[in-house]
Amino acid sequence: GNSVTQMEGPVTLSEEAFLTINCTYTATGYPSLFWYVQYPGEGLQLLLKATKADDKGSNKGFEATYRKETTSFHLEKGSVQVSDSAVYFCALSDVNTGFQKLVFGTGTRLLVSP
Amino acid sequence: SQTIHQWPATLVQPVGSPLSLECTVEGTSNPNLYWYRQAAGRGLQLLFYSVGIGQISSEVPQNLSASRPQDRQFILSSKKLLLSDSGFYLCAWRGGADTQYFGPGTRLTVL
Repeated sequence: GNSVTQMEGPVTLSEEAFLTINCTYTATGYPSLFWYVQYPGEGLQLLLKATKADDKGSNKGFEATYRKETTSFHLEKGSVQVSDSAVYFCALSDVNTGFQKLVFGTGTRLLVSP
Repeated sequence: SQTIHQWPATLVQPVGSPLSLECTVEGTSNPNLYWYRQAAGRGLQLLFYSVGIGQISSEVPQNLSASRPQDRQFILSSKKLLLSDSGFYLCAWRGGADTQYFGPGTRLTVL
């Protein structure tokens, strides 16, 4: 079945460092791909998405490119801030179901220190 | 614009007690609605989804049930809570382009 694999966390960075969180997927067909962010004690917020191969999603300085050849959707940011500390979830839409089901990775915790 | 509400925000319940969590969506009609559970330090598990009033599908057999009595209301229930029911419960609705939007969540602790 469809699945999403994310790098283990926590990822610990200093402010202004470069961020990469790896995400790879296994899927049949051509799913849409998403990154969600969860701040402590809150629900998930959509960070960015890409709906087809070679699309780049971007928001708040974060970017991710839909790479069909490597089945990847890595999240990047050039300069992280303390306020970016959160848990990041990669997800794909399962196109094989009759309704729209999201398959999530296990999440990667990011800790940014001043 | 669309808004999704969940209540209560936090809940502490004894083992064996009943449960009712409520989710409502504003600003859209006949949305697909979802209940997820997030156990401590883990990813999200889809519990139930609904494509319309009275239409509920379960993804995982368990101690919980769901109902959709109104178009924009989705309720998660249990007759007798177990310790393993503790977690963070998230409701979501489906917007355009296969995107799901999540509510603020309910943190349930079963003691």
